[in-house]
Amino acid sequence: QVQLQQSGAELAKPGSSVKISCKASGYTFTSYYISWIKQTTGQGLEYIGYINTGSGGTNYNEKFKGKATLTVDKSSSTAFMQLSSLTPDDSAVYYCARDYSGPGEWYYFDYWGQGVMVTVSS
Amino acid sequence: DIQMTQTPSSMPASLGERVTISCRASQGISNYLNWYQQKPDGTIKPLIYYTSNLQSGVPSRFSGSGSGTDYSLTISSLEPEDFAMYYCQQYDSSPDTFGAGTKLELK
Repeated sequence: QVQLQQSGAELAKPGSSVKISCKASGYTFTSYYISWIKQTTGQGLEYIGYINTGSGGTNYNEKFKGKATLTVDKSSSTAFMQLSSLTPDDSAVYYCARDYSGPGEWYYFDYWGQGVMVTVSS
Repeated sequence: DIQMTQTPSSMPASLGERVTISCRASQGISNYLNWYQQKPDGTIKPLIYYTSNLQSGVPSRFSGSGSGTDYSLTISSLEPEDFAMYYCQQYDSSPDTFGAGTKLELK
């Protein structure tokens, strides 16, 4: 069965970076893009961007350019997101999700990771 | 960015009740609208894609409709496992944006 297993919670200091992972199983990793979504109590769900797991090409929400860097390791079927220059505003739960594009106009996130809580505090 | 206004933000309801959650986009989104459910443990799953298509495995009591700027998710008869958060998502215009969510609570 399809699973996206994310890494564990992170506690980081302001100004530092964290790299969280999303390990896929149960399907051909390079056949689907992986997207990343931020969830906070105040801002709700925010789309960060996606990575083409085959080519490594990326597309970012303008708001997260310079903040998030998406990469992939095809050999381990794992997607990564690095968050840099952390501030308290980056404290959130971060989800990875598999992009499904069907015939015609379909596009949605059909499988989600369990989420990773990132806390930025001195 | 397209703003998605989701209403209500919370909704007390009873088992067996029919409920409707709405999402209004700040501009027309051509039916490019999905719905998701989030459980208290954080688990998120898709319910409806492209306005009205039921995701595989989702009970038929869930349905979606709408056009232009106005969309809705209806649950025809609430079951205990339906008390959760619900979010809409538009993908007509980049970046994808989500509604603020509706918390469906047991009355």
